[in-house]
Amino acid sequence: EPEVTQTPSHQVTQMGQEVILRCVPISNHLYFYWYRQILGQKVEFLVSFYNNEISEKSEIFDDQFSVERPDGSNFTLKIRSTKLEDSAMYFCASKPGATTGELFFGEGSRLTVL
Amino acid sequence: GDSVTQMEGPVTLSEEAFLTINCTYTATGYPSLFWYVQYPGEGLQLLLKATKADDKGSNKGFEATYRKETTSFHLEKGSVQVSDSAVYFCALSDPAGGGNKLTFGTGTQLKVEL
Repeated sequence: EPEVTQTPSHQVTQMGQEVILRCVPISNHLYFYWYRQILGQKVEFLVSFYNNEISEKSEIFDDQFSVERPDGSNFTLKIRSTKLEDSAMYFCASKPGATTGELFFGEGSRLTVL
Repeated sequence: GDSVTQMEGPVTLSEEAFLTINCTYTATGYPSLFWYVQYPGEGLQLLLKATKADDKGSNKGFEATYRKETTSFHLEKGSVQVSDSAVYFCALSDPAGGGNKLTFGTGTQLKVEL
């Protein structure tokens, strides 16, 4: 069964360093997402991406964050200069079209900023 | 804005006990409602969904009914098993907000013991 895959599963970084989290969405899907969950808190929407551009982003998704779909396969989230409060589980998701509300999620990438 | 409120966890039950996890929502439009489950070490998986009032979503013995009058979508299962131990997330997709993303609750951890 097709699935969304994410790498790395866990990354530890120093504050101020750049981090790139990678995702391979399901191949025929058109909409892509990043969510995050800080330990003990809600799963929060960060950004959605469609037709090679950001379609919506939350207040969390500030200038330190960027997304890219460089090769038609990978979907990446970059954090330019990490802060302690960026420590969280980051989930990538995709869906095939606009009509379905269901998202298909990856297993998550845990980011720890020291 | 849209929001989802779930009952606090963790919930600990004995095998074969009855499960209810409460979920209420606030939405601008007429949302679709979802329950996602996250088993240990895995990503979020759709458990069930309902797209209109009085719809009942069901899967793997779990059920939830879309109650517009009480803005609720409580998850129930008549007889839980140890394998149901996981974190359960209630979520909505609001067409008034574009229907493009999911808004999640905080998640409720369920632990089922023998």
